[in-house]
Order: sequence, then structure tokens, then C-alpha cells
Amino acid sequence: QLVLTQSPSASASLGASVKLTCTLSSGHNSYAIAWHQQQPEKGPRYLMILNSDGSHSKGDGIPDRFSGSSSGTERYLTISSLQSEDEADYYCQTWDTGIQVFGGGTKLTVL
Amino acid sequence: QVQLQQSGPGLVKPSHTLSLTCAISGDSVSSNSAAWNWIRQSPSRGLEWLGRTYYRSKWYNDYAISVKSRITINPDTSKNQFSLQLNSVTPEDTAVYYCAKDVEMDAFDIWGQGTMVTVSS
Repeated sequence: QLVLTQSPSASASLGASVKLTCTLSSGHNSYAIAWHQQQPEKGPRYLMILNSDGSHSKGDGIPDRFSGSSSGTERYLTISSLQSEDEADYYCQTWDTGIQVFGGGTKLTVL
Repeated sequence: QVQLQQSGPGLVKPSHTLSLTCAISGDSVSSNSAAWNWIRQSPSRGLEWLGRTYYRSKWYNDYAISVKSRITINPDTSKNQFSLQLNSVTPEDTAVYYCAKDVEMDAFDIWGQGTMVTVSS
């Protein structure tokens, strides 16, 4: 069964970097994912698609501070030079034939 | 620039049908590479994909197992939009509903603004 697992929360200081993790279920290490950001009281916003080899393609207007990487069944979102507006929920998403799956989301607090 | 604009009632009575529409600008509902999705979000269920419609020489639908018996997603080519109908709603269907576009059945790259729907008498 295709499942995505995310830690419920993370925190980092203003100006620092943070690495969020999304873990694919066993046997799905070749799957690509997408990262989405949801700021408070707003709808989700597409950040990037991230492949199993770590290559990624960002959405329009997404700053260079956002990057992705991969290792095995883990997919990472790294945000550098954290700004206050990066405080948000971050969701990963993946897909298979006929289905779309979301992770539970990580709430990022910028200290 | 693709944009999705949602419309529909914010309050639905239990056992009735929830109906929402998503108007597309900057793309076509009949695109051979895009699919048009409905997703909902609630505190108890998180983000939940409900289903999609797409055109690949003919129209297709995929639906989530959790709502498959109650859901219909239809394209409207004359108005370049697509709709969601969810039958026999209960308070558990209370959520923010989003429409979204995906490209080649993968990432959702465009989201609608969201519609809060409350199921209550």
C-alpha cells in the first residue's frame, strides 16, 4: 500500500536552514513526490516535484531557498535562510495508477 | 497562467447532495495532458484526494475508494469547467474542498482557492 509519512512538527530559527522529511512506504523507493506549502488560512501552493534521483523541478516563482533531495524511500525539502513567511504546513503528495496520496503534513515553526 | 475559480454553496443539509464547480482559465478541461481533481481537507482526515476527470481521446474518471459510491465528477466543455457532486452527505463530509489541476497524472501544480462546506441541518 502506498503511504507517505511525515513528522507532525518541526522548528528552526529565523535565517537558519531546515530539512523536512517525507518517507514513502516500503517498496516504493522509485516513486517521485511533490511538495506543497500551506500558509495559515490559505490554500496549498505547489512547490516542486522531486524524483527518486534527487532531481527536482520547482513551480513558478518558488525561491531558490527551496530545494529537494532524495535517499532511498526518503524525500527531503530543504529551506535555507528561513523567513517568517515560511512558517506553514508542508505536505508531500505522490501518485500511482488511479490514485493520489497525501502525507499527514509537517507544521514548521520559525523561531 | 492557469487559474481555477471555485463556486458553490457553503452549507448543505445531511442526506442531500454537495455540488461545487471549478471554472478554468488559461487551460482547457479537454487538455490531453492535464487532469482535473477534487480534494478536501478537514482536521480529522487531513488532505484527502476525492477523484478526477480527464480527456485522453475520450473522457475518464478516477475516484477514491472512500467516496466511490457517492461521487460524480463531470466536465463541462461548453463552459470550460468541471464539477463535483457528492451524494448522501453527513457531517463527516464537512471540510474545505479544493479543485486542482495535475499534469500527466502526477503533481498538483495549480490549486483553486478552496470552499468551506458545512454539512448541517
